Amino acid sequence: DTAVSQTPKYLVTQMGNDKSIKCEQNLGHDTMYWYKQDSKKFLKIMFSYNNKELIINETVPNRFSPKSPDKAHLNLHINSLELGDSAVYFCASKTNTGELFFGEGSRLTVL
Amino acid sequence: GENVEQHPSTLSVQEGDSAVIKCTYSDSASNYFPWYKQELGKGPQLIIDIRSNVGEKKDQRIAVTLNKTAKHFSLHITETQPEDSAVYFCAASKRTDKLIFGTGTRLQVFP
Repeated sequence: DTAVSQTPKYLVTQMGNDKSIKCEQNLGHDTMYWYKQDSKKFLKIMFSYNNKELIINETVPNRFSPKSPDKAHLNLHINSLELGDSAVYFCASKTNTGELFFGEGSRLTVL
Repeated sequence: GENVEQHPSTLSVQEGDSAVIKCTYSDSASNYFPWYKQELGKGPQLIIDIRSNVGEKKDQRIAVTLNKTAKHFSLHITETQPEDSAVYFCAASKRTDKLIFGTGTRLQVFP
């Protein structure tokens, strides 16, 4: 079965709304990430959690709030959505030796 | 912080030819250099990686070379096939730090 799974795969919403993307990994990894991929395919790190603790926050607006209820889950909640938030958001988990495993992505479109 | 540059941004080759993608990194302390392949509508997938104690690594038709002095690393794909068509990303990190990705190369292999 899928190692890193994210839901939903597609999300279309209006400006100003609040939405969440969920991520789960069954690989037993301690570290999970959220990456944002824009229309030019640039992959930019947003957050990293290690065993439920935030370790990286790449100056993402505080409208974005990650939550990690346990080390297998890292959810992303976005308040007051803006047009510029439209992107594909990837969740990933990392092995102890540095290899990243990505989910299939969640395409967010803000109208 | 680390900065990774990747060239070319697009690459078109005939089936059976070789393809080479090059990256440079800025932080001499970086010691882990993976390559990811992203197919349309999918998440990036690790295809090969190299660590700073090795100069070259090969896995069937793909190989990666690392020049630590020049801070360059390259991906070589031989005998390209149409299914090699995808976006390829290089990345760099040091120890257990975050992975910084290059800007991606769109490879098209024409039959």
